[in-house]
Amino acid sequence: NAGVTQTPKFQVLKTGQSMTLQCAQDMNHEYMSWYRQDPGMGLRLIHYSVGAGITDQGEVPNGYNVSRSTTEDFPLRLLSAAPSQTSVYFCASSYTVSAYSGEQFFGPGTRLTVL
Amino acid sequence: AQSVSQHNHHVILSEAASLELGCNYSYGGTVNLFWYVQYPGQHLQLLLKYFSGDPLVKGIKGFEAEFIKSKFSFNLRKPSVQWSDTAEYFCAVGRDDKIIFGKGTRLHILP
Repeated sequence: NAGVTQTPKFQVLKTGQSMTLQCAQDMNHEYMSWYRQDPGMGLRLIHYSVGAGITDQGEVPNGYNVSRSTTEDFPLRLLSAAPSQTSVYFCASSYTVSAYSGEQFFGPGTRLTVL
Repeated sequence: AQSVSQHNHHVILSEAASLELGCNYSYGGTVNLFWYVQYPGQHLQLLLKYFSGDPLVKGIKGFEAEFIKSKFSFNLRKPSVQWSDTAEYFCAVGRDDKIIFGKGTRLHILP
C-alpha cells in the first residue's frame, strides 16, 4: 500500500492564482481530512469528509473548497490564493473518527508559498 | 470555545531526564484522545490513543499517557528521554467527526 499520497510536494503561487492540492489513499478509508500547519499554531482542520459525497467544514475553511467524488481522492482547491495561505498542508485518512481506530494516517505534506 | 491546550510550547531536556507534556481539552461528553509525534522532516505519526478502559495508556517508544476525566487532561510521559525523542508532539481530541489538534510542543533533547 502506498498509504496517503499528496501532490505536489512544493508549490509557489502568485496572489490570486488558483490551484488544487491532490490527496489520495489506497486503504479504503472512509474518513479523510485536510489540515494546515503553521509555526506556533499546530495543525488546524480545514475540511473533512466522512465518506464519498459528504464533506464538511473544519476550523479554518475560508478560501478553500473540497469535494469527495470517490473514496480514494480528496482534493483541496484554493480559489484565489492569498499570502495568508502560505503553509504546509497535510492530508490524512482514517478508517473512522468516532469509534474503533480513529488513528489518522498522514500524507507527506505540500509546502505552499503564496507571493 | 472548545479547544485543545498544550501548556508547553518548547521544552529542553537532557538525555535520561523524565518528561511530562501537558494537554487539556474543553470538550464535554465522550471524546477520543491522541498524541501524535512529528520527527524532523517527517510527517505525523501516532504515538498512542485512548478511547475507553484503563486510563493509563502505553504507546510506542516507551511513551505513556494518563487520562484524568475530572481534569479534562491527557498528559504524555516518558521516564527517560533519548536524543532521538527530539520532535514536535501534538495532543489531539476526536469528537463529532472531527479531530482537533493542540498547537504542539517542541521537545529538544540535549545529548
